[in-house]
Amino acid sequence: GAGVSQTPSNKVTEKGKYVELRCDPISGHTALYWYRQSLGQGPEFLIYFQGTGAADDSGLPNDRFFAVRPEGSVSTLKIQRTERGDSAVYLCASSPGVPASGANVLTFGAGSRLTVL
Amino acid sequence: AQSVTQLDSQVPVFEEAPVELRCNYSSSVSVYLFWYVQYPNQGLQLLLKYLSGSTLVESINGFEAEFNKSQTSFHLRKPSVHISDTAEYFCAVSDPGGYNKLIFGAGTRLAVHP
Repeated sequence: GAGVSQTPSNKVTEKGKYVELRCDPISGHTALYWYRQSLGQGPEFLIYFQGTGAADDSGLPNDRFFAVRPEGSVSTLKIQRTERGDSAVYLCASSPGVPASGANVLTFGAGSRLTVL
Repeated sequence: AQSVTQLDSQVPVFEEAPVELRCNYSSSVSVYLFWYVQYPNQGLQLLLKYLSGSTLVESINGFEAEFNKSQTSFHLRKPSVHISDTAEYFCAVSDPGGYNKLIFGAGTRLAVHP
């Protein structure tokens, strides 16, 4: 597609529920990133995929968070047993990651706003 | 570890006035530097970047930023702002040898008033 698409744009759930957030990157972009932006904060790195594999998941806050990218395109961020502190905007970005370089520009989606009641 | 400090959380300014949004970073290695802008209800957009070469970089809409290695700064400036520049601005760094793992500052909200 022309840009990075994220669904849903808004998700309200109850504490303890399971949530999935989807990211559809720009066609041909091999690198995909998830960030979390809490109110009043800058985006915080969660995980980076190069192709199908998670090359760096050091930003995932705990084992309730998991992300997959089974075919090297669409990615799903999964949050189990949601807590109120998980409320944030979850951002996805992609870049033409081969060769991987700090100079590659990330294109961000509009984000998925998660509210845990 | 790399970190970014944006010294002002909010900057109010009148239309057509100059503005400077401050950004300082800390890193033990060389860095790439970026400014991203987030308009209301939109995703982050790249405004400008410094990779190497000239320390002064410019965007297409009149913003510029200067990389100052001795002061570890990358302040963003515009000589005359417009109402449409109202947005959240984020400074970010990445490791040139890495894979675009951007480290962001907390952001500065620029509010341009008529």
